[in-house]
Parts: sequence; C-alpha cells; structure tokens
Amino acid sequence: DIQMTQSPSSLSASVGDRVTITCQATQDMTIHLNWYQQKPGKAPKLLIYDISNLETGVPSRFGGSGSGTDFTFTISNLQPEDFATYYCQQYDILPFTFGPGTNVDVK
Amino acid sequence: EVQLVESGGGLVKPGGSLRLSCAGSGFTFSNAWMNWVRQAPGKGLEWVARIKSKSVGGTIDYAAPVRGRFTISRDDSKGTVYLQINGLKTEDTAVYFCVTGGYRFDFWGQGTLVTVSS
Repeated sequence: DIQMTQSPSSLSASVGDRVTITCQATQDMTIHLNWYQQKPGKAPKLLIYDISNLETGVPSRFGGSGSGTDFTFTISNLQPEDFATYYCQQYDILPFTFGPGTNVDVK
Repeated sequence: EVQLVESGGGLVKPGGSLRLSCAGSGFTFSNAWMNWVRQAPGKGLEWVARIKSKSVGGTIDYAAPVRGRFTISRDDSKGTVYLQINGLKTEDTAVYFCVTGGYRFDFWGQGTLVTVSS
C-alpha cells in the first residue's frame, strides 16, 4: 500500500495568512493526488484533484503542486471559513489511502 | 443537485451484521462509480470499498481490513448502493460515508454511524 504522511499535523494561523501543508507518499506517484477539506461534523469536500486542479466552485486561494512523492497544498489568504482539517489522498494504486490530516485552527 | 443519503447505521454487538444503504439522486446513478469511506471517531478517513458502473463491468474492490466481511452492491433501478457488513468488530465503529467517484471523491453523503459495542 502507498502510505501518505502529512505535515504539520496541526497549525495555528490568522485570517489573511498563507498556509502550507505538505503530503508525502511512500512511493513515486503520477498525478493521482487529491486534497479534501473537512469541518467538524461534516462530510469531507473535494478541493483539489490531480495535484493542482481546482474543483468547480472552489475559491482560487486554494492551490496544489508537487510531483513524485512530495506534494504541497496552499491557502494563499486564509479566510474564516477555511479553519478545518485537510486531507491528501492518493489514487495511484489500490487501496486508495488518505493522509492523517492537518488541522488548521485559529491562532 | 447531487444528493447522497445514507441509512442503516446503528448499535450492534461484536459479531453482528448490518446493511447500510445509500440513495443517490441528481445524477445518472447507473453511470456512477460508488464508494464507501469510513471515519472512526476522532480519526482520519479510510477508503473501504468501491463498485464500478455496470457499463465497465461492475468491478468491486475492497480495503484489506474489510475483505471477506464487507460486501458492496448496487441496484441501479433504485439508485442505491449497499454495504453489507458481517462479523462486525469494535474497530469497525465509524461514520460510514457514501461517496461518488472513481478516483477522486466528488460528492459525499452525510454519513451514517455504526457503533460496535457489547
């Protein structure tokens, strides 16, 4: 199985900050990496697919990049509604696996 | 508008069984690849199973921890996907989400809670 790690596991930030989360896979991947946002008590929401493609309706302050085993998720101008947990997910090889999540909370 | 509504969760004793259902609407269900993803309380996300559309063979895949105990199926005439769970273990306690998508998980239901406890 491909294992996914994320760092940091949590971070504190303020509105307007730039936030960066990294995701690392245990083996080289092609483009099959997605990012999700989850708020407490809610289902996850797809934000970014295929490393860097913004899902329809997702604000452009969200972005993704990377290749191989190292990927980055960025929020360029953190908004109040962005405080949440973020997960990366690979679908290069079954079983699909998620990172452990990064909780972004208020500084 | 895409809607996925799960049902069937509840409190079950270890070794028991449950059948989860997920009714989809707002999209062409028969063309959709459907998944179940679970989340244990306070934990991360775990993909459980996927069933492809019949047009590409209806192939089924499972995560290793559930293979042999869980069965995913679909009834396209009812727009519903099922997850039959047998031999429940305490570690199966989780919210089970129904999710569309072959590789990226586009739309998620609200989830149904399965609690396994004696």
